[in-house]
Amino acid sequence: GIQVEQSPPDLILQEGANSTLRCNFSDSVNNLQWFHQNPWGQLINLFYIPSGTKQNGRLSATTVATERYSLLYISSSQTTDSGVYFCAVDNTNAGKSTFGDGTTLTVKP
Amino acid sequence: DTAVSQTPKYLVTQMGNDKSIKCEQNLGHDTMYWYKQDSKKFLKIMFSYNNKELIINETVPNRFSPKSPDKAHLNLHINSLELGDSAVYFCASSPRATGTDTQYFGPGTRLTVL
Repeated sequence: GIQVEQSPPDLILQEGANSTLRCNFSDSVNNLQWFHQNPWGQLINLFYIPSGTKQNGRLSATTVATERYSLLYISSSQTTDSGVYFCAVDNTNAGKSTFGDGTTLTVKP
Repeated sequence: DTAVSQTPKYLVTQMGNDKSIKCEQNLGHDTMYWYKQDSKKFLKIMFSYNNKELIINETVPNRFSPKSPDKAHLNLHINSLELGDSAVYFCASSPRATGTDTQYFGPGTRLTVL
């Protein structure tokens, strides 16, 4: 099956700093999503981005499908950004998403 | 106005028992999923249903049996619970089964088997 690798595994930032999270995948995909799992365990969809660039407030994401990677940018980080960020990809056309191991982000005040 | 809801939120039970987790979505989506998140936060798909029909059935022990009475509901029944079944189980939904849509997750059910 498809392999998904996220980096870094852990990231600690001061409030206000910027960060870039990376997701590499081993095959072409028809779906790529970024999720944030907050400290209460809720999984929130951030972006559906199989290719191209999207922005939503302080967050933006870019997927370069031909090179099999995606980046999630967080600018001016806030303590509420803390949690685990997952990349999930699907190359099956059947909704079978494969999740990466996640990046655990801690934003300190 | 919850989009994807699950009950119960917490479930603590003894080994060998049988339990069910219920999931409902009010988004009008055709496709629903069950995922398992283990203690290391690793998320893995278990099943998906499209319009009450089983689409994805990953390598899951047959003690786990999903049931979809209609396209808005997908329940998970687990027989003969084992210690290793302890995890958080997430239900999700998406508009279609093509894998080209956003998936919306429920709040999760934390299952603890003693």
